[in-house]
Amino acid sequence: QVQLQESGPGLVRPSGTLSLTCSVSGVSISHTGWWSWVRQPPGKGLEWIGEISESGITYYNVSFKSRVTTSMDRSKNYFSMRLTSMDVADTAVYFCAGRGMDTGWVPVWGQGILVTVSS
Amino acid sequence: DIVMTQSPDSLAVSLGERATINCKSSQSILYSPDNKNQLAWYQQKPGQPPKLLFYWASTRESGVPDRFSGSESGTDFTLTINNLQAEDVAVYYCHQYYHAWAFGQGTHVEIK
Repeated sequence: QVQLQESGPGLVRPSGTLSLTCSVSGVSISHTGWWSWVRQPPGKGLEWIGEISESGITYYNVSFKSRVTTSMDRSKNYFSMRLTSMDVADTAVYFCAGRGMDTGWVPVWGQGILVTVSS
Repeated sequence: DIVMTQSPDSLAVSLGERATINCKSSQSILYSPDNKNQLAWYQQKPGQPPKLLFYWASTRESGVPDRFSGSESGTDFTLTINNLQAEDVAVYYCHQYYHAWAFGQGTHVEIK
């Protein structure tokens, strides 16, 4: 059974940096696939942030491109995201998600983590 | 970038009636090697993550009631809920995963 689990701080100060990790079980992120981050501000829709492939290729939403980086640790089967210059408007539930040969190329999602930006 | 245009924003339907949600991609999201549209539909209830209903536009996820159906025609996609039940009240999203994911704006489905 595929499981993705986000971890990280629930509170970030304005201008600070958000670092989130997505632990993956049931599939290997080293196998062909793409691993994504998505967020959802309170009461709003889903917004794709970016993704990283099993070989380390990255694509980012242009809205975040200057602030976001993604990475992965294949030995520990997790991938991560850093989002800099956090603002109150970045308050959201952050989801990790992905798809690959081990998921049958069907998207799979984590439960999400609420991150609040506040002083 | 691929843009997903979803309509309507909200929909009020009587119990037992049909709800129809539309989604249009700004370009083809058909993956040629397997001839499958890279589109998913989700149901989201408050405080929960999106729940996968359909992938490849019309393949129903295990456990999803068959009153839900997904269809496709070119770059137009439709989610239909027949015999609407109270538990179907939720927000529904379309999602293209062909390249650089994008989501529709969401459709709020409520009971009339």
